[in-house]
Amino acid sequence: GENVEQHPSTLSVQEGDSAVIKCTYSDSASNYFPWYKQELGKGPQLIIDIRSNVGEKKDQRIAVTLNKTAKHFSLHITETQPEDSAVYFCAASDNYGQNFVFGPGTRLSVLP
Amino acid sequence: GAGVSQSPSNKVTEKGKDVELRCDPISGHTALYWYRQRLGQGLEFLIYFQGNSAPDKSGLPSDRFSAERTGESVSTLTIQRTQQEDSAVYLCASSFRTGQGEAFFGQGTRLTVV
Repeated sequence: GENVEQHPSTLSVQEGDSAVIKCTYSDSASNYFPWYKQELGKGPQLIIDIRSNVGEKKDQRIAVTLNKTAKHFSLHITETQPEDSAVYFCAASDNYGQNFVFGPGTRLSVLP
Repeated sequence: GAGVSQSPSNKVTEKGKDVELRCDPISGHTALYWYRQRLGQGLEFLIYFQGNSAPDKSGLPSDRFSAERTGESVSTLTIQRTQQEDSAVYLCASSFRTGQGEAFFGQGTRLTVV
C-alpha cells in the first residue's frame, strides 16, 4: 500500500520568510496530492492540491510542486504570516478507490 | 447543512463502556472516511465507504471498532468496551468520489476514556 513521509516534523520561520515542507510517496499509481492545514481544535482544511499531469500549481502565497519521477512533492509558502501557524498534512490518493494516505504532519510556527 | 457535521463534539466515557460517534456527510458525497488523531499526532486511517461498495475496513485497530453507513448518508463509528488508548479525536471526512477532489473534514469528536 501507499506510504507517505513528510519532513520536517516541526518548522519555525520568521514572519515574511518562506517555508518549505516536503513529502515523498511510494505508490507510483498515486495521482492526486492534496495539502491540508489544521488549526488548533479544528478539522483539516484543504489549502491546495495538485494532480499528476501538472508539475506545479500556485495560489497566491502558496505553491505546490510535484516530481513524479522521484515521487516527491513540496509545499511552498512565501511571505509567511503568523496566521500561517498550524499543522500541515500532505496526502496521496489514486483514481481507483484507494483512500487518502496522509503524511505525519508538520507543525509550522511563524514568529512575529 | 453546508459542511460535514459530527456529533457529539466531545464525549467522556468510562473505561469498558460502548460509544457511538456520528457523522453527517455533505449531501451528494459518495465517499466517507473515518480517521483517528491522537494528541499531537497525524491522521490514522480507520475505514472508508464508497457508495454501495464493500467498505475498506483495513485500518480498524481491533474488533472493538466497527462502522456502518446507510446508503450515502449518515455513518456511525462504534467503539465497544472502550479503553484509555482509544482517547483521541475521531475525524470524519466526505468527498464526491473516493480519491477524486477535495475531502471535506468535520470538526471531529474528542473522545476521552477515563
